[in-house]
Amino acid sequence: SQQGEEDPQALSIQEGENATMNCSYKTSINNLQWYRQNSGRGLVHLILIRSNEREKHSGRLRVTLDTSKKSSSLLITASRAADTASYFCATDQGGKLIFGQGTELSVKP
Amino acid sequence: DTGVSQDPRHKITKRGQNVTFRCDPISEHNRLYWYRQTLGQGPEFLTYFQNEAQLEKSRLLSDRFSAERPKGSFSTLEIQRTEQGDSAMYLCASSFPNRDGYTFGSGTRLTVV
Repeated sequence: SQQGEEDPQALSIQEGENATMNCSYKTSINNLQWYRQNSGRGLVHLILIRSNEREKHSGRLRVTLDTSKKSSSLLITASRAADTASYFCATDQGGKLIFGQGTELSVKP
Repeated sequence: DTGVSQDPRHKITKRGQNVTFRCDPISEHNRLYWYRQTLGQGPEFLTYFQNEAQLEKSRLLSDRFSAERPKGSFSTLEIQRTEQGDSAMYLCASSFPNRDGYTFGSGTRLTVV
């Protein structure tokens, strides 16, 4: 069953703007990960944040984790048309990842 | 090693037929996972292996589904007596436990007609 719930389900922005996606989950986790999926392709790992971390950066990506609220956010700064994809959060539970339903991001040039 | 390979990329089969998919993980990874994804949804966990041992199988997985990883390297996923509801993308991934992320293959798209 799906664990993470993502918000919004779809997001459309202009190139250069920032995109923020949110993820909520229900149970205790070891870590939370974000993945990107281009249409019809496999998923690509973006970033992992452990349960004892609050914020992590990787290039134009910034992830936050609030374990008290069981929520995470992914911020993509200065978006590009190539960022158009679906983004999924996934929680590590007992050795396997449980994925949310994803946010579909469209970046218009 | 160029990543996780899945074969075939696409499979069209008639209802009631058996199908088998293959996954070749990254050779250094000891964990291998199978997921199923339908349009507009996130990947749904099916099963995973550590080396050749199958550690967990989703309760949602019917007895028509079976997976093997005989020598702790490649894995196969077999679906017997396929149904239209089995139409989906089947994704394989591999990883080291407790390290950064999974590496996914490009998936096998199954269409049952």
